[in-house]
Amino acid sequence: DQQVKQNSPSLSVQEGRISILNCDYTNSMFDYFLWYKKYPAEGPTFLISISSIKDKNEDGRFTVFLNKSAKHLSLHIVPSQPGDSAVYFCAATYSGAGSYQLTFGKGTKLSVIP
Amino acid sequence: KAGVTQTPRYLIKTRGQQVTLSCSPISGHRSVSWYQQTPGQGLQFLFEYFSETQRNKGNFPGRFSGRQFSNSRSEMNVSTLELGDSALYLCASSPTEGYGYTFGSGTRLTVV
Repeated sequence: DQQVKQNSPSLSVQEGRISILNCDYTNSMFDYFLWYKKYPAEGPTFLISISSIKDKNEDGRFTVFLNKSAKHLSLHIVPSQPGDSAVYFCAATYSGAGSYQLTFGKGTKLSVIP
Repeated sequence: KAGVTQTPRYLIKTRGQQVTLSCSPISGHRSVSWYQQTPGQGLQFLFEYFSETQRNKGNFPGRFSGRQFSNSRSEMNVSTLELGDSALYLCASSPTEGYGYTFGSGTRLTVV
């Protein structure tokens, strides 16, 4: 039972254009969402997060949107750069007592073409 | 500020053996979590420790265990290794409160 789903295993985007990575979740208890970026042979690197009390959070070229009614979030990267090429993981958690567990999607491999 | 350090980086073991992996969290971080990454299942939560106590455990068999020491360093152990245990094992640390998870580079375990 996959509680966090990233339905696109891969995405190719031209340099300078917008990259949109999508993520869906099924567990209504999730109230905090994170995006991680991962290069081969390295651990995931935190990018940006959003609490369920917000519907948008921006950090430079990265913006995360949350649609709670649809249980959907998306990561927008504008403009996309070749260095953004990596695997992007969506993760979710909830603020239950003592619960510091992240549930991850299976990732989307982004390729930014120069 | 030093990051999360995992040792060793690579490990090859034979089926049936046991293995111990080590994780040193960021200084001041008291929570340490472990994750298994495989091509088929993605990143899956193993367990989380805080102040030497296991607070949460994922859906893995009892062959997977861990512990945390008083200096917050953590080890995970896998006994009676199976071929399917081949994976990248990632450790993440976070501050006392909040969700500031920082991951290490992982230990690549290959079981032959």
